[in-house]
Amino acid sequence: DTGVSQNPRHKITKRGQNVTFRCDPISEHNRLYWYRQTLGQGPEFLTYFQNEAQLEKSRLLSDRFSAERPKGSFSTLEIQRTEQGDSAMYLCASSLEGAEGNQPQHFGDGTRLSIL
Amino acid sequence: GENVEQHPSTLSVQEGDSAVIKCTYSDSASNYFPWYKQELGKRPQLIIDIRSNVGEKKDQRIAVTLNKTAKHFSLHITETQPEDSAVYFCAGPSGGSYIPTFGRGTSLIVHP
Repeated sequence: DTGVSQNPRHKITKRGQNVTFRCDPISEHNRLYWYRQTLGQGPEFLTYFQNEAQLEKSRLLSDRFSAERPKGSFSTLEIQRTEQGDSAMYLCASSLEGAEGNQPQHFGDGTRLSIL
Repeated sequence: GENVEQHPSTLSVQEGDSAVIKCTYSDSASNYFPWYKQELGKRPQLIIDIRSNVGEKKDQRIAVTLNKTAKHFSLHITETQPEDSAVYFCAGPSGGSYIPTFGRGTSLIVHP
């Protein structure tokens, strides 16, 4: 079990730039989630995929955010025209959903985004 | 409003004491209630979970209880150790969705 892998671990960029993060889930997991976490808060749901289909997006998710999972394996999260309020830890998680319903989520180490 | 409320936000105990963290939820859509532990600078890790067909589950020093009538579930840690110090998050149902909503977290500090 290689676990959930996220790259890069840290990203520092100037306001207005675009950034892209990558998540490689556990290989047999069919669900992939993106969360954002700020200091002192729990993970906040952004969006999730069932295989390659994006099934739900948080209504808090700005149209500057887009996510893809083109082949149902790795996923990318892009933020366009970054703002200082985008500074946060971006967490990816995966799970294997089946007939029993919700299953444990396995998190990656996250990508910490800092906007200058 | 907030769908999953977690209390307390901080909890300070002496080594060997018990610690209890409680979460309440308003939506009955889910049958799955996990607890995660997050050490400083690290990823959240599942420590225990419970499904709605049982009222209690134990794993060594950790237990989770679920009261579906009252819509709350609690994490119990007995014989606490300094390495239990971390932030603990519950996750519960939200708005009829199967996407878990995380509580705001409880910072547990175990003093040696």
